[in-house]
Amino acid sequence: AQSVTQLGSHVSVSEGALVLLRCNYSSSVPPYLFWYVQYPNQGLQLLLKYTTGATLVKGINGFEAEFKKSETSFHLTKPSAHMSDAAEYFCAVSDRGNQGGKLIFGQGTELSVKP
Amino acid sequence: DTGVSQDPRHKITKRGQNVTFRCDPISEHNRLYWYRQTLGQGPEFLTYFQNEAQLEKSRLLSDRFSAERPKGSFSTLEIQRTEQGDSAMYLCASSLAPTGGQQFFGPGTRLTVL
Repeated sequence: AQSVTQLGSHVSVSEGALVLLRCNYSSSVPPYLFWYVQYPNQGLQLLLKYTTGATLVKGINGFEAEFKKSETSFHLTKPSAHMSDAAEYFCAVSDRGNQGGKLIFGQGTELSVKP
Repeated sequence: DTGVSQDPRHKITKRGQNVTFRCDPISEHNRLYWYRQTLGQGPEFLTYFQNEAQLEKSRLLSDRFSAERPKGSFSTLEIQRTEQGDSAMYLCASSLAPTGGQQFFGPGTRLTVL
């Protein structure tokens, strides 16, 4: 069975600092990998995804993530945090063999950005 | 191009009552998913459809929950005899298969059971 672990339920950074949100997955075969962001009282918005090809994936709002098969990781980074990045971030996986199918989410990481 | 819409956005009900939620997916999407999210947790899969066929249902879903997608367009999720533990945000998402699995989420329906 697939599972996702996000290390750290809450991360706090200063504005302009590096953002690093960690995600590790467990799956018998490399799955599709996603990062979603959820702002207060809003739906989930896709930041980026990895399906195939280049393992460094660039997304919206300056975020990127790197798929590392050997480490079963898909960590999310942003070089310089902005106040507007404060939100809840979810890592998710889905079954490659089912052309996607259901998403399995991690428990989420709340990002706070200090001025 | 409109996104995924859900109705109602908020629902307050008394324990034991039945509730029904509606989801309208992006029009050309053939897959529709339901998830439940409780405070401080990631969304949890409930069920999904491809066109009108219900392809998977979570084992965690009790018999009080039922979902339909009768014409392969909108979907309804019904909860019978609601319990306080059903209080959560119910999220709907849609996708176009086979295109690598990206799902587009609606704003959710927040259910409060008193």
